Amino acid sequence: SQQGEEDPQALSIQEGENATMNCSYKTSINNLQWYRQNSGRGLVHLILIRSNEREKHSGRLRVTLDTSKKSSSLLITASRAADTASYFCATDGSQGAQKLVFGQGTRLTINP
Amino acid sequence: GAGVSQSPRYKVAKRGQDVALRCDPISGHVSLFWYQQALGQGPEFLTYFQNEAQLDKSGLPSDRFFAERPEGSVSTLKIQRTQQEDSAVYLCASSLGRDRNFGPGTRLLVL
Repeated sequence: SQQGEEDPQALSIQEGENATMNCSYKTSINNLQWYRQNSGRGLVHLILIRSNEREKHSGRLRVTLDTSKKSSSLLITASRAADTASYFCATDGSQGAQKLVFGQGTRLTINP
Repeated sequence: GAGVSQSPRYKVAKRGQDVALRCDPISGHVSLFWYQQALGQGPEFLTYFQNEAQLDKSGLPSDRFFAERPEGSVSTLKIQRTQQEDSAVYLCASSLGRDRNFGPGTRLLVL
C-alpha cells in the first residue's frame, strides 16, 4: 500500500556527475520528505519540503515539488562515492499526518 | 548523543515461533513508530505510539502482530506464530516533532 513511486528504481553514475531521482504520489500531502538508507542501516532524514514550497536546497541537495503533478525530484550535485545508497521519498497527509508513507526507493550507485 | 537502538539486530526464527523485537527510542521522544521493510521495498507503516498510547495500529498486517509501549519509552513488537512472509527488516523511529529518527532495524528471517 505504498503511495510513492520512484523513478528510476536504480541509477548508476560516475563520481562528480549529478544524480536526479523522481518521486510521484497519489493523494494530497502536507509535506514530502527524502531519506537516505545505506545498506543494512536505518533511514537518515535528508530534507523536508512543505506542500506550499516549490524548491528547497540543502548543501548539495536540491528538492523540487510540483503538487499539481503530485511529483517531486531530488537532485544530488557533484556526487561522491559516499552518496551510494537507497533514496526514498515519504509523504504525510490525508492518510494521517503521523503515518509517513514511503516510496519504493531508488538505488543509487556512484562509481569512482 | 545516543540515537534510537534496536535489538536484536538479527533474528532467525523457525516458522511458528514467537519473536519479540525491542526498540529503545531517544530519551524524551514522545512519538514512536514501527515500520516493516521487505527486501528491495520502502518501509511500510505498522503502528504509532504517543507516549504509552497506541494511537494508530492500522498497518499491523494481522492479529499475530502486537506492539506495546507500557511506560511510554521502550517499545516491543511481538510477532506470534511467525510465517515466512514476516521475513523483513523491522524499523523503529522516534520523534519529538516532525523529524523522525530511525534505528538500525532488526532483520528477521523466518525459516
